[in-house]
Amino acid sequence: EPEVTQTPSHQVTQMGQEVILRCVPISNHLYFYWYRQILGQKVEFLVSFYNNEISEKSEIFDDQFSVERPDGSNFTLKIRSTKLEDSAMYFCASSEPAGANVLTFGAGSRLTVL
Amino acid sequence: QKEVEQNSGPLSVPEGAIASLNCTYSDRGSQSFFWYRQYSGKSPELIMSIYSNGDKEDGRFTAQLNKASQYVSLLIRDSQPSDSATYLCAVLASGGSYIPTFGRGTSLIVHP
Repeated sequence: EPEVTQTPSHQVTQMGQEVILRCVPISNHLYFYWYRQILGQKVEFLVSFYNNEISEKSEIFDDQFSVERPDGSNFTLKIRSTKLEDSAMYFCASSEPAGANVLTFGAGSRLTVL
Repeated sequence: QKEVEQNSGPLSVPEGAIASLNCTYSDRGSQSFFWYRQYSGKSPELIMSIYSNGDKEDGRFTAQLNKASQYVSLLIRDSQPSDSATYLCAVLASGGSYIPTFGRGTSLIVHP
């Protein structure tokens, strides 16, 4: 069964450092998303991406965050200068054109900022 | 602010019983509703989607939607210990967005 692949599964970083989280969406999907989940809290939307540009973003997705699709398969989330409160599980998701709001999630990347 | 509300639980049911999970939402114009299951430390996985009023059944799962009451529920029949997880309700609000908003989830514990 096709799946969304995320790397790394866990990253520990120092406050102020840059972090890049990587995702390989399902190959025939055209919509890509990043969500985050702080421990014990709800799954929160960060950004969606379609046709090589951001289609929607939340208030959380400020200037510290950026997304990129550097090639035909990868979709990345960059956090420029990490803060303690960025510690969370980051989920990448994708959806197919016909069911744009039915999301398939990757396993997640756990980010720990010290 | 478009809200999706769920009782955080935990909801504890014995094996073989029916588990009933509830969700309310604030945007009356919402059109699409989803139930995801999330095991501890794992990612959400879609169980069911429902788009029109009434019941939708898939195996042991039944989703129920009442748009007038702004209420969506998930019934799990013959609950198994493997159903123990957090169940997330997600709602696609009106206004042209394609982004589902998630509730906090209800923790379900099925005990043998």
